Amino acid sequence: AQSVTQLDSQVPVFEEAPVELRCNYSSSVSVYLFWYVQYPNQGLQLLLKYLSGSTLVKGINGFEAEFNKSQTSFHLRKPSVHISDTAEYFCAGGSNYKLTFGKGTLLTVNP
Amino acid sequence: GAGVSQSPSNKVTEKGKDVELRCDPISGHTALYWYRQSLGQGLEFLIYFQGNSAPDKSGLPSDRFSAERTGGSVSTLTIQRTQQEDSAVYLCASSLHGTGAGANVLTFGAGSRLTVL
Repeated sequence: AQSVTQLDSQVPVFEEAPVELRCNYSSSVSVYLFWYVQYPNQGLQLLLKYLSGSTLVKGINGFEAEFNKSQTSFHLRKPSVHISDTAEYFCAGGSNYKLTFGKGTLLTVNP
Repeated sequence: GAGVSQSPSNKVTEKGKDVELRCDPISGHTALYWYRQSLGQGLEFLIYFQGNSAPDKSGLPSDRFSAERTGGSVSTLTIQRTQQEDSAVYLCASSLHGTGAGANVLTFGAGSRLTVL
């Protein structure tokens, strides 16, 4: 069965601290991997994507993620977070048009 | 349009009533998707439209759910005889391409929050 697992449902951090949001996927769902962000009362926005090529991908707002095939992981990182990064983050994977989403990680950045 | 538009943004209905949710995708996007977001459950794929091809309805949870896409543009998701477990946020998305890597690069609407009393 296809699955995307986000290992933390909530991650609280202080402003300017580094953060890592963890995501593991089943090999059947890999090929294309994504991180989406959902700010309060808004729709999902694409943060970054891995389609092929370099395993380190950079996205908007200073986020980056690394595709690790051997560990079937696609963790999201930011070296220094801001209050405005408070949102829910979704990892997703798919091989064609049907994306499988994780259950989301709520990132809360505190002053 | 500039983005994916969904209406209504909020809908409260009584159990047993029918509801219609509308999605207006980005102009020129060939593919349209409906997902359901339930509290603590992530996003659940419902249905996919691509051009004139037969839609992939494999994610619709029951025969009370149906969707259509008219003229390759606007889509309507209909839920008949609503139940309390249908309460969720229904998200529509579109993509420029319907196949290959580009098919997964989705632009989402803000969603329609459905509450069934």
